[in-house]
Amino acid sequence: GESVGLHLPTLSVQEGDNSIINCAYSNSASDYFIWYKQESGKGPQFIIDIRSNMDKRQGQRVTVLLNKTVKHLSLQIAATQPGDSAVYFCAENQAGTALIFGKGTTLSVSS
Amino acid sequence: KAGVTQTPRYLIKTRGQQVTLSCSPISGHRSVSWYQQTPGQGLQFLFEYFSETQRNKGNFPGRFSGRQFSNSRSEMNVSTLELGDSALYLCASSPRPLNAGAEAFFGQGTRLTVV
Repeated sequence: GESVGLHLPTLSVQEGDNSIINCAYSNSASDYFIWYKQESGKGPQFIIDIRSNMDKRQGQRVTVLLNKTVKHLSLQIAATQPGDSAVYFCAENQAGTALIFGKGTTLSVSS
Repeated sequence: KAGVTQTPRYLIKTRGQQVTLSCSPISGHRSVSWYQQTPGQGLQFLFEYFSETQRNKGNFPGRFSGRQFSNSRSEMNVSTLELGDSALYLCASSPRPLNAGAEAFFGQGTRLTVV
């Protein structure tokens, strides 16, 4: 079936490093992608989004890259901090349907 | 501006019972969507309501239903509860329908335990 998935279930980095979290999607008709962060005991929190007519979008310390050729999405976090430790989900918005989430990547940041 | 409010936060029910969960969206938001989150299946879309109409529905049995009121508040109902329904139920609100590419803001969820 068509779904959004993540390459790695866990990622461990040192404070100050840059983190890259990857996501693969299979539906070329998807035209809107979102990254969410979920901390323990909380609901998902919007980080950044990107539309399919773009290949890069930057926010505060975060950058999302979209490669439609290989159906790949990535989230880059610059100067990762302990407060960035959380589960990160990518989601795609398929036309005519609603959000479909990947399984999530747990980011652990050590000091 | 108040965020998305879900009540109750925690709930314990017995198999066979039914349950109703409530979601109050951010003021002015007309789209409310519901999700089930479990360790095994992750986040799964249940349904979306916009202006009191169900727009989309995920792949869940008919025991799962919902509705939206004129003030955009939404309720989700699960009948004949099964042990496998134990999960965190999240709702999200957005100003536009989800397929319009609108950012969804999530509540903290209702933790349902079925025993």
